[in-house]
Amino acid sequence: DAGITQSPRYKITETGRQVTLMCHQTWSHSYMFWYRQDLGHGLRLIYYSAAADITDKGEVPDGYVVSRSKTENFPLTLESATRSQTSVYFCASSDLGLKETQYFGPGTRLLVL
Amino acid sequence: AQKVTQAQTEISVVEKEDVTLDCVYETRDTTYYLFWYKQPPSGELVFLIRRNSFDEQNEISGRYSWNFQKSTSSFNFTITASQVVDSAVYFCALSEAGSNDYKLSFGAGTTVTVRA
Repeated sequence: DAGITQSPRYKITETGRQVTLMCHQTWSHSYMFWYRQDLGHGLRLIYYSAAADITDKGEVPDGYVVSRSKTENFPLTLESATRSQTSVYFCASSDLGLKETQYFGPGTRLLVL
Repeated sequence: AQKVTQAQTEISVVEKEDVTLDCVYETRDTTYYLFWYKQPPSGELVFLIRRNSFDEQNEISGRYSWNFQKSTSSFNFTITASQVVDSAVYFCALSEAGSNDYKLSFGAGTTVTVRA
């Protein structure tokens, strides 16, 4: 049971480049989420999705784009990476019936130079 | 305003000591959910427990126990007879049923260091 996976686990990129972080879950959970974790700010919600083709903004969506064409995938794209987007990114999912319990992926550490 | 407050930034104990992590939350919803997550040095976030606002029964799971008190808006977590493997950052989180996004509002986390 793979659960929820993220790729890549580590990424170094340069300012201005487009970067896509992948998230894949095998539970068929309806809800998926992207958070970023930064020192001094804890975890903050970037975007979430209630189902395929339904996405909405969270607390800090600027500079990010998401899509969800399939239930199991929820990619996060940084259209033009900035240094302030250096962070650890966590994807999470939750089942419709237990939608309040979110299970997290292993995280992606992104460094923008 | 901070919805979840974990006043303890760091706690250091010697193995076999008990350690209690405090969590105070703030919400106007009558239906809400409280969580504890563990983040070990490897970085992943591990779900530990979920408690809904209508269930004030305390819970014990092995060496872990949780004390939920609505009267004081607290959901404290105790590790009994701590072990080195318990060293991690522990996050308390709140999800409000009245919220459309089911966002988890996290506390700042408490770093627990258990020394051998």
